[in-house]
Amino acid sequence: DIQMTQSPSSLSASVGDRVTITCRASQSISNYLNWYQQKPGKAPKLLISAASSLRSGVPSRFSGGGAGTDFTLTISSLQPEDFATFYCQQSYNTPYTFGQGTKLDLK
Amino acid sequence: QVQLQESGPGLVKPSQTLSLTCTVSGGSISRGPYYWSWIRQHPGKGLEWIGYIYYSGSTYYNPSLKSRVIMSLDTSKNQFSLNLSSVTAADTAVYYCARGINPFDYWGQGTLVTVSS
Repeated sequence: DIQMTQSPSSLSASVGDRVTITCRASQSISNYLNWYQQKPGKAPKLLISAASSLRSGVPSRFSGGGAGTDFTLTISSLQPEDFATFYCQQSYNTPYTFGQGTKLDLK
Repeated sequence: QVQLQESGPGLVKPSQTLSLTCTVSGGSISRGPYYWSWIRQHPGKGLEWIGYIYYSGSTYYNPSLKSRVIMSLDTSKNQFSLNLSSVTAADTAVYYCARGINPFDYWGQGTLVTVSS
């Protein structure tokens, strides 16, 4: 199985901050990398697919980058509604696997 | 707008079979080329992909669960289902249905299934 490792596991930040979350795959996955946001008690929501393609309706302050084994999710200016847990997920090989999550909370 | 909704028992006894159904609205599950997935999340933990069923009926299961999983389609009701046999407390989780595999673009709200006697 492809292991996905996110860093950091948790992050405290303030409204207006720029934050970056990293996701590393245990082998190259080209750009088969997706990002999800999950709020407590809710299902995950797709933010970005194919490493950098922003889903329609997702604010442009979210951006994704990377290829191969190293990927990033950046939020350019945190808004109050952005505090949540973020997951990366590889869709290069079955079984599809997720990172362990990065919990972003208010400093 | 595609919507998915899980349904099924919230409590299952150990060694029994967990059975969940996902009802899809806003699109036909038999119209390709969509995959339909099940994903679970243990309490307070990360996400685990269980497997998918393709609109044609073909399936792929996570090898970690393969021996206990069966997925099926009911196109007349626009539903797909998950059966997980021989459950233990380790199968207690929130179970989500979702459309797709690359990526999972629409999700149900999730349903908590507790395995307990």
